[in-house]
Amino acid sequence: DAGVIQSPRHEVTEMGQEVTLRCKPISGHDYLFWYRQTMMRGLELLIYFNNNVPIDDSGMPEDRFSAKMPNASFSTLKIQPSEPRDSAVYFCASTQVASEAFFGQGTRLTVV
Amino acid sequence: RKEVEQDPGPFNVPEGATVAFNCTYSNSASQSFFWYRQDCRKEPKLLMSVYSSGNEDGRFTAQLNRASQYISLLIRDSKLSDSATYLCVVNTGKLIFGQGTTLQVKP
Repeated sequence: DAGVIQSPRHEVTEMGQEVTLRCKPISGHDYLFWYRQTMMRGLELLIYFNNNVPIDDSGMPEDRFSAKMPNASFSTLKIQPSEPRDSAVYFCASTQVASEAFFGQGTRLTVV
Repeated sequence: RKEVEQDPGPFNVPEGATVAFNCTYSNSASQSFFWYRQDCRKEPKLLMSVYSSGNEDGRFTAQLNRASQYISLLIRDSKLSDSATYLCVVNTGKLIFGQGTTLQVKP
């Protein structure tokens, strides 16, 4: 298996634009997590899915953020409209219950 | 109060030193525990799981104290390559990461 795959690796966009981040989890993993990492706040859990169903989205900062998982092999995190304070590294991770989480390489988002 | 708390450091130690990191968690129903390592500008990767009986992997020893809701990581004979950020992770049904502790091993 190729591991967790995220795209794009880097994204630079202008304030107000829509940004879509993509994630392909490891096959057979039934949990998928989206995290945001900044120097100030560390790794923050935004939302997680179990069997494609969103379980806890309490970490999503505001309505500008949305996430979907239409099937077991794909998830998206969308920011609309984007703001400079959304600049961060966004990680996707997948796992089976109570076991090791595997992370993608992250998407480095810069909003100017 | 944060769900998982760590001293962010940095810890600056010479090669060969022994260094210990601590982590506390607030949810007594937490199910499993891990230490992850993150190198600069890379994704976190599992270092080791933490078991109630304590566990060792080479120079690394992890301990769990459920009564005190406390996890520790001990690194013996530290190497330059151990320089990284060490993240404490608690599984409460979701994976919650601590802020991370930065270790810098100097020659």
